[in-house]
Amino acid sequence: DQQVKQNSPSLSVQEGRISILNCDYTNSMFDYFLWYKKYPAEGPTFLISISSIKDKNEDGRFTVFLNKSAKHLSLHIVPSQPGDSAVYFCAASPGAQKLVFGQGTRLTINP
Amino acid sequence: SQTIHQWPATLVQPVGSPLSLECTVEGTSNPNLYWYRQAAGRGLQLLFYSVGIGQISSEVPQNLSASRPQDRQFILSSKKLLLSDSGFYLCAWSRPPDTEAFFGQGTRLTVV
Repeated sequence: DQQVKQNSPSLSVQEGRISILNCDYTNSMFDYFLWYKKYPAEGPTFLISISSIKDKNEDGRFTVFLNKSAKHLSLHIVPSQPGDSAVYFCAASPGAQKLVFGQGTRLTINP
Repeated sequence: SQTIHQWPATLVQPVGSPLSLECTVEGTSNPNLYWYRQAAGRGLQLLFYSVGIGQISSEVPQNLSASRPQDRQFILSSKKLLLSDSGFYLCAWSRPPDTEAFFGQGTRLTVV
């Protein structure tokens, strides 16, 4: 049972444009959501998070939006840069003890 | 500052051989510790997590086991590896009550 889903396995965006990565979840007990970035053969690195009491969190070029009624969150990267090319994982937590990850979306930024 | 060490970086093991992957965390105490696996074309699957010494929770039935002999040491083991155990294994830690987890560099395990 995939509780966190990233339905787009890949996304290609022009440099300088906006990248939008989407994530859906099914468990209404999730109360904290995170995005991680992963390069090949490395561990994921934390990017940005959002609590279920908020609907938006911004950090520089990265903004995460949460729509609780739709059980949907998205990560916006603007402007997109070549160094943003990586696999992005959405994660959700039903408490502070563990994270449930999506399948990941491979983002490619084209010059 | 906190650091997490995971080794080895790559490992090739024959089917039926044992496995031991080690992970240690420095610079913090009483962390929550995790083992994840990323199989080819799949996301990060939580295998085990631990909230304290000797306390292990298993998320999926499998051929693997985990142990936490010390506060900042987490070990992933198998008595007999299967081909399906191949994948990229990641250790992670978090500082309760925070949710953000910080990952090690990972171990690429290939079972042949």
